[in-house]
Amino acid sequence: DAGVIQSPRHEVTEMGQEVTLRCKPISGHNSLFWYRQTMMRGLELLIYFNNNVPIDDSGMPEDRFSAKMPNASFSTLKIQPSEPRDSAVYFCASSREETQYFGPGTRLLVL
Amino acid sequence: AQSVTQLGSHVSVSEGALVLLRCNYSSSVPPYLFWYVQYPNQGLQLLLKYTSAATLVKGINGFEAEFKKSETSFHLTKPSAHMSDAAEYFCALRKGGFKTIFGAGTRLFVKA
Repeated sequence: DAGVIQSPRHEVTEMGQEVTLRCKPISGHNSLFWYRQTMMRGLELLIYFNNNVPIDDSGMPEDRFSAKMPNASFSTLKIQPSEPRDSAVYFCASSREETQYFGPGTRLLVL
Repeated sequence: AQSVTQLGSHVSVSEGALVLLRCNYSSSVPPYLFWYVQYPNQGLQLLLKYTSAATLVKGINGFEAEFKKSETSFHLTKPSAHMSDAAEYFCALRKGGFKTIFGAGTRLFVKA
């Protein structure tokens, strides 16, 4: 059974460029979460969806960040324009009940 | 407000020694509590969870945790540390709904 799939695993980009991170949740899971992890701030919840609907986006840092979930098997997190302070590991997680299952993460470096 | 506090950002033990990672929580309703482990360059993996059944919860890799309501604690233990246990451990709390609150993490070092 495949777990949460994230792509790309690594992304290096230049400041000002658009970055799109992708996530495929575990089949049958109806909640999806985007997190950001940095040394300074730890693990931060950015946004989460339930049944493809955004429920809480209060963790999204600013308008440069946006997330979509067009269907139950795909979600994107977009940063436009990217800045060096966006460098972090971004995790996607999905759940059906109380337990979240994490993907391997996307390591983003913005130069 | 719900919160999770992990005591000690770093814990160092010798191989074969007891592992004790501390977690205290604050919740106005019965919580669901979790311990996750993160190995370098990987995502978080569930170690164990408490969902109001037995107060002593056994997880993978020989870890267990005990829910103590009177102490609002959910400490993680393992009788004998192994080198492969070196990782970062996160305590987490979920109060109904969808959000899970994660602690700041405790990095476990295991000395040979």
